[in-house]
Amino acid sequence: IAGITQAPTSQILAAGRRMTLRCTQDMRHNAMYWYRQDLGLGLRLIHYSNTAGTTGKGEVPDGYSVSRANTDDFPLTLASAVPSQTSVYFCASSDGDPHNEQFFGPGTRLTVL
Amino acid sequence: GQNIDQPTEMTATEGAIVQINCTYQTSGFNGLFWYQQHAGEAPTFLSYNVLDGLEEKGRFSSFLSRSKGYSYLLLKELQMKDSASYLCAVVDNDYKLSFGAGTTVTVRA
Repeated sequence: IAGITQAPTSQILAAGRRMTLRCTQDMRHNAMYWYRQDLGLGLRLIHYSNTAGTTGKGEVPDGYSVSRANTDDFPLTLASAVPSQTSVYFCASSDGDPHNEQFFGPGTRLTVL
Repeated sequence: GQNIDQPTEMTATEGAIVQINCTYQTSGFNGLFWYQQHAGEAPTFLSYNVLDGLEEKGRFSSFLSRSKGYSYLLLKELQMKDSASYLCAVVDNDYKLSFGAGTTVTVRA
């Protein structure tokens, strides 16, 4: 693994189903983030974690949950998917210094029908 | 709330210069980033400004005026590979990034 990876690459999901998007980084970054990107709206922060064991809510947290059991992994769970959660999801990580760049994963394209 | 505005689309010719403007009204300011995002790919870091003035990095430069809530990204000697979306993002009082909707730049031969 080099950098930050996400799985799956894409997924079609029936409404009401539970889904977990996976994110793993090997840069030993303290901070990790989940964003969704929708046409015309840009990237919006869903949840974040400043360090292992802690999480916080972003701009659009409803319908999503996260956990940060260790430094490397930051899964995002949709408990009961709805069509409005159709989006491209990006995971990102950083060293935690807000003046330093965030590194983004390749994204997961999720379609909820 | 956060308000970050940038033009939706711009078109320019190969070899030319393009300036992408970004204006912001946010709850606090702790720096401004520009990211590049090619279609279907992840955003990648281009520049960071926290003090007023111009930061030059090769063909790309970024300018910031904190008093005016204004930044621009200048792309010189445009190449076809510069066709991408350019995202302006502000670090707010909570030290989180708020992104504009992005500007899609198309470079034509």
